[in-house]
Amino acid sequence: DAKTTQPTSMDCAEGRAANLPCNHSTISGNEYVYWYRQIHSQGPQYIIHGLKNNETNEMASLIITEDRKSSTLILPHATLRDTAVYYCFAGDTGTASKLTFGTGTRLQVTL
Amino acid sequence: NAGVTQTPKFRVLKTGQSMTLLCAQDMNHEYMYWYRQDPGMGLRLIHYSVGEGTTAKGEVPDGYNVSRLKKQNFLLGLESAAPSQTSVYFCASSLEVGQPQHFGDGTRLSIL
Repeated sequence: DAKTTQPTSMDCAEGRAANLPCNHSTISGNEYVYWYRQIHSQGPQYIIHGLKNNETNEMASLIITEDRKSSTLILPHATLRDTAVYYCFAGDTGTASKLTFGTGTRLQVTL
Repeated sequence: NAGVTQTPKFRVLKTGQSMTLLCAQDMNHEYMYWYRQDPGMGLRLIHYSVGEGTTAKGEVPDGYNVSRLKKQNFLLGLESAAPSQTSVYFCASSLEVGQPQHFGDGTRLSIL
């Protein structure tokens, strides 16, 4: 599976867009990019996933580079409730045991 | 619609005791997973199940057993608890592998 690299922490002002990067330079052709977040000590929450094309849902947008070696999760208008740890990982949809969460990026949204 | 429910939410055990953590989902999902989360280490997969009556090992299966007798329930057992198993345990389910996983709120387990 592709190893992912994320910054340890980031800050964002409330109301601004939060752009969270993720590097997955060894991603293979059949691996999707997934994003989850974990607010305080709650269970992780699914945000979005994609293979090649950019994706958007009610929570966020996912921008994947053309070579698929990196991606960016965009929260268009961050609020204090978006303060959380954000996990990016690449997974093969055919093998459940290979969905591995790393240590993620701690996003702090401030006033 | 409760989603994924974990029981209990907190538990303190003595070394050598046994216990079972229960995970129940009401979304008719085929896949279920047990993770543990330790400080600074993200989530690690313990065991998972691809359907009723099936189980498989994940990244850190030693010291744990699981059973999936009913599609909606996935049980995680500790036969002889050790302090190294002090952790937060999360259960998750998904419709299929690769589909978004829905997580419970966790069980905080301390072993003295």
